[in-house]
Formats: sequence, C-alpha cells, structure tokens
Amino acid sequence: GAGVSQSPSNKVTEKGKDVELRCDPISGHTALYWYRQSLGQGLEFLIYFQGNSAPDKSGLPSDRFSAERTGGSVSTLTIQRTQQEDSAVYLCASNERGLRDEQFFGPGTRLTVL
Amino acid sequence: DAKTTQPPSMDCAEGRAANLPCNHSTISGNEYVYWYRQIHSQGPQYIIHGLKNNETNEMASLIITEDRKSSTLILPHATLRDTAVYYCIVRVSTGANNLFFGTGTRLTVIP
Repeated sequence: GAGVSQSPSNKVTEKGKDVELRCDPISGHTALYWYRQSLGQGLEFLIYFQGNSAPDKSGLPSDRFSAERTGGSVSTLTIQRTQQEDSAVYLCASNERGLRDEQFFGPGTRLTVL
Repeated sequence: DAKTTQPPSMDCAEGRAANLPCNHSTISGNEYVYWYRQIHSQGPQYIIHGLKNNETNEMASLIITEDRKSSTLILPHATLRDTAVYYCIVRVSTGANNLFFGTGTRLTVIP
C-alpha cells in the first residue's frame, strides 16, 4: 500500500523567501509528526498533530515556522523568511496511535537555503 | 533529551550477526526501548521494540538486560542492505508524542 509521501523531494530557495513543504500521511492515520534532520545529526522533533489539531508545537524553532493539517490528512509545513540555518531534511511521519505506536516515515524534503 | 548512549560506528562482515549495544541507565519503569534504522537518503524505519522481555521479529531480535539498563539489537545474518544508522530510543509507548533520536550507531556491513 501507499506509504507516507512528501513533496517536493528537493527545494532550493534564496534566503528570505517563504517555502511550503507538503506531507501526505498514510490513509487513516490520525497522528502526524514533523521532524527535521540537519546534516550528520539525529532527528529533531518539530510538531505533532492529532487529527487537525496540534497539541504539541514545542519543537518549532521560531515563529517563522508554522504548520497546519486539513481534513485530518494532508499537512503543510511553512517556513517564512528562510535562513541558511533552516537548511535540512524535513521528515514527516504518521501513525495510528495504539499499542505498538510505530511511526511510518516519508522520504523527506531536502531544503537548501542559499 | 539524550536518554540513550550508543557507539558512533560499527563494522560487521556480511552474513555474520551484527550486535548493536545501547545503554539506557535512566530508563523508567513505563518506558519502552525502540529501535529504528535510517538507510542513506531515506526516512527512518521501525525495527522492533520491547519493555522487559526479549523480542524477535522478521527483522531482528532485541535483548534487554534484566535491570533494563541496557539492550542489544541483533541482526542475525547481516546483509549489505543493512548498512544504515541505527537509533535506540526510550519512550513511553502511549502518550508521548514524538521520538527523541540521538546520533545513533552507523553500521557498515562489509562484503
């Protein structure tokens, strides 16, 4: 079956521009997570959605970062006025909260801010 | 929130067992041990998890010490496709919203 998909796979932008990253979770998964991974680093949690609401935004690094989820499905992560330190791979994961609690990850979007 | 300690890198000969250690000396009674791996240029992939009993699935075995302060992930017959970064994570299975990934162990399977 279809896994988590993300688009675009690569995004190159200029400093100061806004970018939108999209995540399509696995159908039926109510929980959705955004992480980012800087070069050679582990994953850094950004935000968690349960349905359309985001009970945990604690990982968003600044107010330039925002995310929304509509229809309990697709999510968009928006970064305004991008900075070079925003360059990273942005990963999305989804799951159906339950006993195993396994998160299914997408392939990521590689963002490069010049 | 680095609750786990792993060696930064390991090598393993193809066809041999790969044993990846993890220390989690401050683990709480309700925290599980999870293992994920990340193959180059892909998102992380769930491998296995356990609470206190040893676990086995089609991918790997997880051995947790009796005091639960450390564990070992075992890939019984490593292949070249098992080359990846392996992350050991401790978390409450339900209620926690995210996974805290450290820097993991980079396993290289050598032909």
